[in-house]
Amino acid sequence: NAGVTQTPKFQVLKTGQSMTLQCAQDMNHEYMSWYRQDPGMGLRLIHYSVGAGITDQGEVPNGYNVSRSTTEDFPLRLLSAAPSQTSVYFCASSLNRDTDTQYFGPGTRLTVL
Amino acid sequence: GDSVTQMEGPVTLSEEAFLTINCTYTATGYPSLFWYVQYPGEGLQLLLKATKADDKGSNKGFEATYRKETTSFHLEKGSVQVSDSAVYFCALRRGSTLGRLYFGRGTQLTVWP
Repeated sequence: NAGVTQTPKFQVLKTGQSMTLQCAQDMNHEYMSWYRQDPGMGLRLIHYSVGAGITDQGEVPNGYNVSRSTTEDFPLRLLSAAPSQTSVYFCASSLNRDTDTQYFGPGTRLTVL
Repeated sequence: GDSVTQMEGPVTLSEEAFLTINCTYTATGYPSLFWYVQYPGEGLQLLLKATKADDKGSNKGFEATYRKETTSFHLEKGSVQVSDSAVYFCALRRGSTLGRLYFGRGTQLTVWP
């Protein structure tokens, strides 16, 4: 039982490049979400999904796309990277949207030059 | 809207000192309250939680009591250890917000031997 896994751990992009951050969970959780963590700002919700085929925007969705074709995977796509997207990205999952306990992945540290 | 306010860090203590990290919240209704801990280079882990007024969450010697009259959820530990050095996040979740967690900015704790 690996829990929530994220790849890559580190990534450097140039402005305008695109990439996908991967997130997977093996706990059969319905609810998955993406947060970004910036210094002094806590974590802010980017997108979330309450089940396969269902996604919605969080607090800071601009510049990011998501899809949820399977229960296990919830990739985050950066369409055209900008320096403002330099951050640490965390994926989280929980059994369903009503469950209190969420499990976080180890994070991806992204730098956009 | 929903929000969480944490005391500013960093907090530096000697081993065996008493720890308090203040957390207050703004939310309608009856949110669930959480403390998450982030050790260096890792993702967030749930430390403790409380789901209704006057509940006390506890784990690993840490405690926090849900005080609705003061809208607070302060984290305490009677005797900190070097291994408690980490960033601590207070968070809330309301059932109507589709699983979303609202985080405080985090408090860096450093414990010296």
